[in-house]
Amino acid sequence: GDSVTQMEGPVTLSEEAFLTINCTYTATGYPSLFWYVQYPGEGLQLLLKATKADDKGSNKGFEATYRKETTSFHLEKGSVQVSDSAVYFCALSSTGANSKLTFGKGITLSVRP
Amino acid sequence: DAMVIQNPRYQVTQFGKPVTLSCSQTLNHNVMYWYQQKSSQAPKLLFHYYDKDFNNEADTPDNFQSRRPNTSFCFLDIRSPGLGDAAMYLCATSWRTGTTEAFFGQGTRLTVV
Repeated sequence: GDSVTQMEGPVTLSEEAFLTINCTYTATGYPSLFWYVQYPGEGLQLLLKATKADDKGSNKGFEATYRKETTSFHLEKGSVQVSDSAVYFCALSSTGANSKLTFGKGITLSVRP
Repeated sequence: DAMVIQNPRYQVTQFGKPVTLSCSQTLNHNVMYWYQQKSSQAPKLLFHYYDKDFNNEADTPDNFQSRRPNTSFCFLDIRSPGLGDAAMYLCATSWRTGTTEAFFGQGTRLTVV
């Protein structure tokens, strides 16, 4: 079945540091890939997505590229801010009428001033 | 502006006492999902509705039921909550399954005493 593997956390960075959060997936066919973010006390929000190989999703300075050859969708940001502190979830959705979102375990990012 | 609204935000129930969580949406989306999220774990899909069609995940316990009386509302019923059912319950909606993004509510944190 479909699965998403995220790197182990938590991650603590200083403000303006470079961020990489690794995500790899297993799926049949050609899934769509997503990064969701969950701020403290809030629900999940879509951060970015990519629907086909080599697509790059970007939003709020975050980027991720759909790499079919390595089945990866790593999240990057060149300069993190304190306000980026949150839990980040990688997810996939396979094609098909009853496809569903499959999430990774999530990783907590804390950014120090 | 809230598009997916869950009530209540926090719910305390007694062991074995039926409890209902509610979700409403203003997006007129076809699909409504219920996820269970335990601490430091990925959200786990319990079931979803595509319009009036109910789709139960194979490993969702019988203790969990759902109702969708109309497009806007969806309910999660836990018939006999156990201590292991304490979790955050997330409602989400999407236009259709597959590649479209899902919009999440803020969640209901359920405590079982």
